[in-house]
Amino acid sequence: DAKTTQPPSMDCAEGRAANLPCNHSTISGNEYVYWYRQIHSQGPQYIIHGLKNNETNEMASLIITEDRKSSTLILPHATLRDTAVYYCIVGSGGSNYKLTFGKGTLLTVNP
Amino acid sequence: DTAVSQTPKYLVTQMGNDKSIKCEQNLGHDTMYWYKQDSKKFLKIMFSYNNKELIINETVPNRFSPKSPDKAHLNLHINSLELGDSAVYFCASSRDVAGTQYFGPGTRLLVL
Repeated sequence: DAKTTQPPSMDCAEGRAANLPCNHSTISGNEYVYWYRQIHSQGPQYIIHGLKNNETNEMASLIITEDRKSSTLILPHATLRDTAVYYCIVGSGGSNYKLTFGKGTLLTVNP
Repeated sequence: DTAVSQTPKYLVTQMGNDKSIKCEQNLGHDTMYWYKQDSKKFLKIMFSYNNKELIINETVPNRFSPKSPDKAHLNLHINSLELGDSAVYFCASSRDVAGTQYFGPGTRLLVL
């Protein structure tokens, strides 16, 4: 599976958009980009995933560059409860599929 | 109504003991997983079962033995516990082997 690179930490003001970048320059054609987050002491929570097109759901938007070498997770109106470690993961399906979590980005939303 | 539940939530035990952690999912998923999160917060997969069959077995000591009595349950038994086993263990499930994974609340194991 391709490796990902994320900044170790970011800050965001409450109510503002949080834009979390992820580099995955070695991603292959059949690999998806997944985003999970882990709020302190809780189990990881799925946010969104995509292959080529931009995706949006009730939690966030995912913008994937045309060359697919990087992506950005956007939380449109960050709240204090969005403070968490955000993980960007790339992987493909199949019987050997597994999520490989890196160090992620600690997003701190400030009042 | 918890989708993925684990018991116990906390487990404190002595070195050398044998302990089990239980996981149940009520989502009707076919695939279940065990992850370990160590003190440095790295989250690593240990095992994955699909339809009660082992499909992923990472480099985990033989002291760890998963058991899946049915598709809704995946238990983790640990023999001869060591200090280094202290960690948070997360169970997860997904619809199939490539589906979105839903995680349980974790079991915090402390070996003294």
